[in-house]
Amino acid sequence: AQKITQTQPGMFVQEKEAVTLDCTYDTSDPSYGLFWYKQPSSGEMIFLIYQGSYDQQNATEGRYSLNFQKARKSANLVISASQLGDSAMYFCAMELGLTGGGNKLTFGTGTQLKVEL
Amino acid sequence: GAVVSQHPSWVICKSGTSVKIECRSLDFQATTMFWYRQFPKQSLMLMATSNEGSKATYEQGVEKDKFLINHASLTLSTLTVTSAHPEDSSFYICSARVAPNYNEQFFGPGTRLTVL
Repeated sequence: AQKITQTQPGMFVQEKEAVTLDCTYDTSDPSYGLFWYKQPSSGEMIFLIYQGSYDQQNATEGRYSLNFQKARKSANLVISASQLGDSAMYFCAMELGLTGGGNKLTFGTGTQLKVEL
Repeated sequence: GAVVSQHPSWVICKSGTSVKIECRSLDFQATTMFWYRQFPKQSLMLMATSNEGSKATYEQGVEKDKFLINHASLTLSTLTVTSAHPEDSSFYICSARVAPNYNEQFFGPGTRLTVL
C-alpha cells in the first residue's frame, strides 16, 4: 500500500521569502504521480503541481516547484517569494499509475503554512 | 477549467436522520467521481469511488450501507449518510474525473455536515 508522510504540521515564513514543505512517500509501484494541493480556510482543494515518477525534470508552475528526489522518495514543494495569500493548509498526495490525476489519491496529513509580514 | 459543484455547502441535522449530498460536474462529463471525508485538522480520506451506471467501490472500513452512493448520470453523484450520528460530522468533498482523458480530477467545494 502507498503512504504519504508530511512531518511538518505547521510552518512560518516571512513574506517574500522562499519556503520548503516536506513530503516523503512510499510505494513499490514504479509508476506513480505526486501532487500538491492547497486548501484555504474555505475548504476547497486547489491543485498546485504534479510530478510523474518517470519525469526527468522537476515540475514547476509559476512560484511553485517540486523538488523530486526519487532515490530518497521525497517530493518537497518549494514556494518562492511567499505572499500573504499563500497562508493555507498544503497537502501532498499520490496516485498509483500515471494518469496525471485520474486515479484515486492518497493524501498526507498536511502542513499549515502561515505567511507573516 | 472544469467546475464541480456540491450541494448543500453545509447542513445541520438531527441524529438519526439521513442527509443527501450532491456532487455535479457542471461543464464536463464525469464517468468517475471520488468521495473523500475530512475531519477537522486532518487529512482527506477516500471513502469510495463512484462509477456512472455501476456500484460504487468502497475503501476498507467504510460502511456501504451507511454511506450510500449513487452515480446515476454522467454529471451527478450523490452521497447519502443514513441514520447520521454526531461522529459522522465531517467535511465531505467530492472530485470528478474528466472523461475521456482520465488524466485529471477536479474537486468540489465540499459540504460541511454537522449532526446534533
